[in-house]
Amino acid sequence: DSGVTQTPKHLITATGQRVTLRCSPRSGDLSVYWYQQSLDQGLQFLIQYYNGEERAKGNILERFSAQQFPDLHSELNLSSLELGDSALYFCASSVGGDIIPGANVLTFGAGSRLTVL
Amino acid sequence: GENVEQHPSTLSVQEGDSAVIKCTYSDSASNYFPWYKQELGKRPQLIIDIRSNVGEKKDQRIAVTLNKTAKHFSLHITETQPEDSAVYFCASQEGFQKLVFGTGTRLLVSP
Repeated sequence: DSGVTQTPKHLITATGQRVTLRCSPRSGDLSVYWYQQSLDQGLQFLIQYYNGEERAKGNILERFSAQQFPDLHSELNLSSLELGDSALYFCASSVGGDIIPGANVLTFGAGSRLTVL
Repeated sequence: GENVEQHPSTLSVQEGDSAVIKCTYSDSASNYFPWYKQELGKRPQLIIDIRSNVGEKKDQRIAVTLNKTAKHFSLHITETQPEDSAVYFCASQEGFQKLVFGTGTRLLVSP
C-alpha cells in the first residue's frame, strides 16, 4: 500500500455517461496529480493541485474536470464519456511546495480502470 | 509547454548486460529529473532522481547522468537481471510544476 487511495478500482460504464474518480493523497502530501494511461501508452498529465488550488493543467479535455477539497482529497469528473476515454487513471501525490528532500517525489495510487462500452 | 522525448521505445538485453535509456527535454527551466519503473499491472514507482545542480547520481546498479547544456539525461542499468524487466519512464519538472513523463521504454531482460 503506497498510502495513496483511489476508488473505484474498476468501473464499467456506457458512452455518454458521467463518472467520478476519487483520490486520497498520502498523509502529509499537499499536491495531487492526475494522469491518464491508455493501453500500452505513456502517462499523460491531466491536472495538478496544490493545497486546494489548481497549479498546472495538461491536455485535459473540456469534458473532464477536477478539484481538490479542503481535506486534500481530489476528484476527477469525466462526462459525456467516449470509447476512447477507456484507460487507467492514476492519481499521485507529493509533498510539493517546500524545498525539502523528497518533496518532488510522486507516490502513485493503484489506479482506477475505466472501461467505456 | 515541456516536451520529453524518450528512446528507445523497446530494449531487449541478455541478463548481465547493461541497458541505457535516453531522454531529452525542451524546457531549459526544468530542474528535476526522476525515473520511474512500472512493472506489469502495477503502479509506477520512483527508482532514482537527479537535480539540475548534479551531473551524475548512482544507486547500486542504477545511475543517471544529466547534460544540462544539451538537455539530455540518461538512465544506466548495469548487470541487468530478469526482475529489471519493466517499463521505464523518464520525466522532467520545473520547481513544483507539472511533472511531464516521456513515452516510456519497455525493457526486457532475457535469462
